[in-house]
Amino acid sequence: GAVVSQHPSRVICKSGTSVKIECRSLDFQATTMFWYRQFPKQSLMLMATSNEGSKATYEQGVEKDKFLINHASLTLSTLTVTSAHPEDSSFYICSARAGLLGAKNIQYFGAGTRLSVL
Amino acid sequence: GNSVTQMEGPVTLSEEAFLTINCTYTATGYPSLFWYVQYPGEGLQLLLKATKADDKGSNKGFEATYRKETTSFHLEKGSVQVSDSAVYFCALSDPHQGGKLIFGQGTELSVKP
Repeated sequence: GAVVSQHPSRVICKSGTSVKIECRSLDFQATTMFWYRQFPKQSLMLMATSNEGSKATYEQGVEKDKFLINHASLTLSTLTVTSAHPEDSSFYICSARAGLLGAKNIQYFGAGTRLSVL
Repeated sequence: GNSVTQMEGPVTLSEEAFLTINCTYTATGYPSLFWYVQYPGEGLQLLLKATKADDKGSNKGFEATYRKETTSFHLEKGSVQVSDSAVYFCALSDPHQGGKLIFGQGTELSVKP
């Protein structure tokens, strides 16, 4: 299957700082990337959908000024958690998809980033 | 709207036991169906998929058949191993609704030696 790389795998930061998480599709061009948040023992919560070259679409209740998403190329999307606070501590997972139809409509996931805000 | 319901876990089995994890869905269109697996501390890995009714997805001994008449996509494996211990997510994707993945709540499987 296709490979999606997410970096860093774990980050610990102080309250008030910003953290950037990268998501790269290594062997395919991702027209769409997704960002999820997962709380312990729970399913994935979609935060936003980003299409290359356009603004991200955020799910209801997700602050777009808090979680900045950039999808500047077909292989890279970044999520920046601005002015992080302890309540932002979570497991963040990205996924990438080559297209919407047929075999391209499969999301491949990164390994996740564990964010801990002190 | 579209939704996915999975059987609740945790499911605990002995090695070599038969596994079934039930998954049912509601959808207005003709979604694709997926099973993903998540090992502790990791992201999700695609386990198998089916894109239309009566399709059977299979991988690593796991199987699931897209049943439109019962709106189900149950995951089965004939003989589980300790290494199969993980959380399993059933999901659907409807291209006519942007192709977002709608996940079930996940089912934790624990296989004991």
